[in-house]
Amino acid sequence: AQRVTQPEKLLSVFKGAPVELKCNYSYSGSPELFWYVQYSRQRLQLLLRHISRESIKGFTADLNKGETSFHLKKPFAQEEDSAMYYCALNTGTASKLTFGTGTRLQVTL
Amino acid sequence: DGGITQSPKYLFRKEGQNVTLSCEQNLNHDAMYWYRQDPGQGLRLIYYSQIVNDFQKGDIAEGYSVSREKKESFPLTVTSAQKNPTAFYLCAIGQENTGELFFGEGSRLTVL
Repeated sequence: AQRVTQPEKLLSVFKGAPVELKCNYSYSGSPELFWYVQYSRQRLQLLLRHISRESIKGFTADLNKGETSFHLKKPFAQEEDSAMYYCALNTGTASKLTFGTGTRLQVTL
Repeated sequence: DGGITQSPKYLFRKEGQNVTLSCEQNLNHDAMYWYRQDPGQGLRLIYYSQIVNDFQKGDIAEGYSVSREKKESFPLTVTSAQKNPTAFYLCAIGQENTGELFFGEGSRLTVL
């Protein structure tokens, strides 16, 4: 069965420091991976998806099939990055996503 | 920002009562989903529907029921059989073939 693991419940960094939110997955087929973000008092929303290979708000994520990882990175954290981040795996055509347990990123001055 | 609307935002119910959460969308998407969000557990799929008059169980369907009589609507009923119903419930619609979900604002259910 598919599984998504986010080992950190809370990640606290200083403003300007690099950020890496970890995500590992378990799936025997070809995965589609996503990062979703939930800012305070806002809806959960898509941040980025691996097939787009894009950078959104300075964040990037590379799919590493050998390590079964999809870590989210940003070189310099900003206060507005503080939010809850979820890694998600799509294993079928129904957009039936399996989510990790989430990591709360806290950026402090 | 419209598109997908959940109601009510907050709901209290007594043990043994059924309660129905509403989810309505005007974006003409076929796929709709219900997730449950609990602290430390992330989001877990309850039910999903890819087309009108059809729906499938997710990972934690026990104690819940749904219907999909119209494309725009996918209500979730939390029945008295659900052992731990206090949670935050999220409805989502699916962007076809992209894996992208658009979420509602959520409904917080508290059982007293």
